[in-house]
Amino acid sequence: NAGVTQTPKFRILKIGQSMTLQCAQDMNHNYMYWYRQDPGMGLKLIYYSVGAGITDKGEVPNGYNVSRSTTEDFPLRLELAAPSQTSVYFCASTKAPQFYEQYFGPGTRLTVT
Amino acid sequence: TQLLEQSPQFLSIQEGENLTVYCNSSSVFSSLQWYRQEPGEGPVLLVTVVTGGEVKKLKRLTFQFGDARKDSSLHITAAQPGDTGLYLCAGEDSNSGYALNFGKGTSLLVTP
Repeated sequence: NAGVTQTPKFRILKIGQSMTLQCAQDMNHNYMYWYRQDPGMGLKLIYYSVGAGITDKGEVPNGYNVSRSTTEDFPLRLELAAPSQTSVYFCASTKAPQFYEQYFGPGTRLTVT
Repeated sequence: TQLLEQSPQFLSIQEGENLTVYCNSSSVFSSLQWYRQEPGEGPVLLVTVVTGGEVKKLKRLTFQFGDARKDSSLHITAAQPGDTGLYLCAGEDSNSGYALNFGKGTSLLVTP
């Protein structure tokens, strides 16, 4: 089973460049999330989606955009990359709200220089 | 955002020792989850605790949820090098599609 997949695994961007982080899940989960993890800071929510066509901002959405055209895919777009966006990005999905396990992808390590 | 405070932040022990990691909040949670993360990978769920006062055991790991559902602890008995990793507690945020609010984590190193 593939579970949650993320591409790319690593990426280096120059300041001002843009890119899309891909996330896909094959578990037919409605709920999907993007988190970023900075050293010693735990994971913080960027955006989330409760189903295809429905997205909303999390705690740290500035500089990012998302779309959810299908149940399977939840790409994260970075516009005008800044050094503050250097981080490890995790996509996660879950079957239903409350008490259910969130399944995480392997992460994308992004460096903006 | 409901804050979760984890302690200690770092823990380095020898194989065979016992340890306890704490997760505290001023807010009440309907449930708390514990995840373990290894370098270069995403977090993986260890356990979900739901009922105040609940105790769950997973082999050498014992998880407890406080009576008031504001805190939780993870106790590892006779730690092994394979227990090395980052331990994260997390509570669901019903205002954000049940996304997880994470503590900052406890980094555990168990040496032979």
